[in-house]
Amino acid sequence: DTGVSQDPRHKITKRGQNVTFRCDPISEHNRLYWYRQTLGQGPEFLTYFQNEAQLEKSRLLSDRFSAERPKGSFSTLEIQRTEQGDSAMYLCASSLVSGVGETQYFGPGTRLLVL
Amino acid sequence: QKEVEQNSGPLSVPEGAIASLNCTYSDRGSQSFFWYRQYSGKSPELIMFIYSNGDKEDGRFTAQLNKASQYVSLLIRDSQPSDSATYLCAPRAGQNFVFGPGTRLSVLP
Repeated sequence: DTGVSQDPRHKITKRGQNVTFRCDPISEHNRLYWYRQTLGQGPEFLTYFQNEAQLEKSRLLSDRFSAERPKGSFSTLEIQRTEQGDSAMYLCASSLVSGVGETQYFGPGTRLLVL
Repeated sequence: QKEVEQNSGPLSVPEGAIASLNCTYSDRGSQSFFWYRQYSGKSPELIMFIYSNGDKEDGRFTAQLNKASQYVSLLIRDSQPSDSATYLCAPRAGQNFVFGPGTRLSVLP
């Protein structure tokens, strides 16, 4: 257990529905990342936050995806009008940027299945 | 050319042997390099990272970096069945971590 939690752990939804995932990072960590991972591939970057500011969003991310991190604590990732291609593991990672660099710690992930 | 490439697996080694995992990257701006282990159905967990050319040892793990060749490797000495997992290489340039597809390692008892 890295101290990063995600909820829910599993989500099954029908195509066209909206889903929202939550990530609670390690409390003192100031950066929070979202990734998507499909079978046989490495995690694919989606977006990241420095405190409450969303600093970068992948060009691969469609407008159906949105993420927030109010107050710089937990974060939510929402997918609107889900498609079957959205089925994947959604991973959250948090990190603390310090003088010695940055290392990420991953949460357990939320596995999404779109029917 | 893919941004990060790793030796295709699965890689099988006998218990007690040295497992060698390789990674090449295309972004010459990459400054730090991370190795993660991922068990099936689980999330990645950090093994170690390296910033400078040369070798860095941590227990049974040794990371090797050659920035001129854009190459980083991970050696696992005295491999154990519990080391069987997918190993992900993640160079970092700027603010992003770019993950490779992973190499699946199987350590045979």
